[in-house]
Amino acid sequence: DVKVTQSSRYLVKRTGEKVFLECVQDMDHENMFWYRQDPGLGLRLIYFSYDVKMKEKGDIPEGYSVSREKKERFSLILESASTNQTSMYLCASSYGRTRLTYEQYFGPGTRLTVT
Amino acid sequence: QKEVEQDPGPLSVPEGAIVSLNCTYSNSAFQYFMWYRQYSRKGPELLMYTYSSGNKEDGRFTAQVDKSSKYISLFIRDSQPSDSATYLCAMSAHDKGYSSASKIIFGSGTRLSIRP
Repeated sequence: DVKVTQSSRYLVKRTGEKVFLECVQDMDHENMFWYRQDPGLGLRLIYFSYDVKMKEKGDIPEGYSVSREKKERFSLILESASTNQTSMYLCASSYGRTRLTYEQYFGPGTRLTVT
Repeated sequence: QKEVEQDPGPLSVPEGAIVSLNCTYSNSAFQYFMWYRQYSRKGPELLMYTYSSGNKEDGRFTAQVDKSSKYISLFIRDSQPSDSATYLCAMSAHDKGYSSASKIIFGSGTRLSIRP
């Protein structure tokens, strides 16, 4: 059974703080993703990674960076948190280049509030 | 215009009713069509997928794709309170590997409530 875990379910941070969100998957998936989910806007892709140390920007990368030092772990970093980054953050993973990639496995999400 | 449009609801129906959830899209390159279900305080999980046009049935769920109209539907028969969730349609243009061309585009989700 695929498991994607996220480091926190709820997080409250102050404006200007550096925030780390961690994601770990246990299925040896090549691809990992970070999304944010906002009412009426759905899931928007922030960054994704298709291999260790590889990353590509998604649709809304501004204000975020990522790190993938190990295959199972993908971190999202908010360098200087702002109130407009208050959102639900979802991590996902999927099989890589040689397999169908339509199925993504999601973690439970981290609800981040920036005050 | 968004690439994928989905009515956010909420949609409330009595138990046992047939539910119809829909999405429209603008990108004719989409080939893979998915429905994800998201329960409250959980991440989305894949419910069904369809390749190209046609119907696919899985138990009480039927996914339908009409590429000529750029319209997809999910039907739920004999709806149950446990079906109460947010349903997200999702689409992808590519089937192998992951690149900007193959990324999955999600709809904003329809919140569904089944009344006992």
